[in-house]
Amino acid sequence: QSALTQPASVSGSPGQSITISCTGTSSDVGSYNLVSWYQQHPGKAPKLMIYEGSKRPSGVSNRFSGSKSGNTASLTISGLQAEDEADYYCCSYAGSSTSFGGGTKLTVL
Amino acid sequence: QVTLRESGPALVKPTQTLTLTCTFSGFSLSTSGMCVSWVRQPPGKALEWLALIDWDDDKYYSTSLKTRLTISKDTSKNQVVLTMTNMDPVDTATYYCARIISGYDSYYFDYWGQGTLVTVSS
Repeated sequence: QSALTQPASVSGSPGQSITISCTGTSSDVGSYNLVSWYQQHPGKAPKLMIYEGSKRPSGVSNRFSGSKSGNTASLTISGLQAEDEADYYCCSYAGSSTSFGGGTKLTVL
Repeated sequence: QVTLRESGPALVKPTQTLTLTCTFSGFSLSTSGMCVSWVRQPPGKALEWLALIDWDDDKYYSTSLKTRLTISKDTSKNQVVLTMTNMDPVDTATYYCARIISGYDSYYFDYWGQGTLVTVSS
């Protein structure tokens, strides 16, 4: 399986919105609505933020939303807050395999 | 509540075999839809999926590492074991185990262990 493609970094000011893209292929992102997104703060384990493309687990702020178009999934964070500064990873089911993205570092200016 | 905890050696020598154990609670790996997976993260780098075992004892491996990996479960002990042979310094990473919810329309890692750092060095 090949890694999904994410921008290395994105940034935004408090209160703004940002979007992180995750590009895969017709074998993973494009074939299944099974993209999930994870937030990881330094030294911590990843935390599930979005699953099945656009669903939020209980306890995750509604400022986080997910979508998909073709082979590209996206994570949007609205109303940026300082605590959102972290690394974000997308993940897709790919048949008998699983692919993660290369990760995106979000900086809140 | 669901918890997972990784255990194993912090240091292994090149060419040795690494054995990691994931001990979990709060769910049964014999329940349909439950899976446990291993994911690693080299220092400063991205997450990399390694292997998965499901409730039906089906096993799946990373294409690039499948010749070196073996995953197994002991349902009675609530444990999943990962072995990785022929360790190399590039395998230095934090190794996580995580629960996966898997179904016809579901596939996501909902709970993660804290991770265990494994360093490969002579």
